[in-house]
Formats: sequence, structure tokens, C-alpha cells
Amino acid sequence: ETGVTQTPRHLVMGMTNKKSLKCEQHLGHNAMYWYKQSAKKPLELMFVYNFKEQTENNSVPSRFSPECPNSSHLFLHLHTLQPEDSALYLCASSQDLGPYTEAFFGQGTRLTVV
Amino acid sequence: AQSVTQPDIHITVSEGASLELRCNYSYGATPYLFWYVQSPGQGLQLLLKYFSGDTLVQGIKGFEAEFKRSQSSFNLRKPSVHWSDAAEYFCAVGAMGSGNTGKLIFGQGTTLQVKP
Repeated sequence: ETGVTQTPRHLVMGMTNKKSLKCEQHLGHNAMYWYKQSAKKPLELMFVYNFKEQTENNSVPSRFSPECPNSSHLFLHLHTLQPEDSALYLCASSQDLGPYTEAFFGQGTRLTVV
Repeated sequence: AQSVTQPDIHITVSEGASLELRCNYSYGATPYLFWYVQSPGQGLQLLLKYFSGDTLVQGIKGFEAEFKRSQSSFNLRKPSVHWSDAAEYFCAVGAMGSGNTGKLIFGQGTTLQVKP
């Protein structure tokens, strides 16, 4: 149990579908993150939220739309995705945004776009 | 630019043998360095971290890592590998991102296979 829970664990969606990924953390952290993990590539930071406010958008296409209603929940809304968006999407949280801060990761959502 | 390089994509060792996974970083200031492990179907778990002080740091599961500033390296070691250590290992550097917020920059990862 890592304290960061992601649902669903697996998702298959067509390119015209709309779906959402959910992340919840029970650690009392203030910062939350979305990462994309593709095969043979380093983890890519997508979005950062601190106290519900977005602090970083790493040039992510608009077909990915994050939402952070409170410090414990983070969503990633998906629409009109492309096959190359198939990847493992990891959510993480940390106490704050310092570069020294340990991040705690969820188990990820394995997304397949068909 | 800040970057992390893990030169070995895949390593195979025999159970009981020693292990060293390499990590090199590029970062102008004093780095905050991390090693994470990812078991199949799981998220990432922190093994150890280095911020300052003693350059040899101990982590969980019997792992240690040594920070060498002159070589810009932070290699992970374990004296005797167990079959359960088979996983993917990620080195990361904590850096300042846009808006002065911290972020982790990850290497590509090293997949460790353990032979019985």
C-alpha cells in the first residue's frame, strides 16, 4: 500500500472516446503529479499541482486535461487520443515541491488507445 | 540542461552475485539524487536518496549508492542479489523546474534480470 491509489488499473479506449483517470492520495501531501511512462523512454513529467493550483504543464497536448479539485484528488481527462498515447500513466504525490522531496507513486493506469 | 543517463538498459546477474547499476547526471548545482525501483505492474518505490553529507548512502532492501561528484555519478550497489530484486531501476535527479517548482528528472531505467 503506497498511499496513492489510481483507477482504473487498465483502460482500453477508442480514439473518439472520452475517459478519465483518477488518482487519490491519503498521505496528506500538498503536491500531485502526472507522469507518462512509455516503453524505452524515461518517465515524462506531464503536470504538477500544488495546493490544487497547476504549477507546471510540460507542453502536454490539449487532448490531456488535468483537474485537481482538492489536494487529495487528481484527474486526467482524456479525449480524442492517438495510438501513440498508449502508455502507463503514473500519478505521484509529495509533501511539497522542493527538489529534495520524495515522491510517492501509484501503481499506474495502463492505457491502450485503439 | 539537466539530464540523467543510465548506460545499461538491461543487466542480468546470477542470484547471490553482486550488482552495480550505473547512473550519471548532468546538473549545474548540488544535485538531489534518488534511486527508485519498479516491480512489474507496480508503481515506483524509493530505494534511497542523497542530498548532502556522507557520500555513501544506505537504502531499503540492502541497497546502497555512492555519490561521486568528480564523476557525476550515483551508482547503485548490492552485495548479493536475490531473485526478488528483478525489476526496473530508475535513477533520478531533483531539479528546479519552471516557476521554481521542484521536479524529478528520470533516467531511462535499467531492467534487472536475476538468474537462478
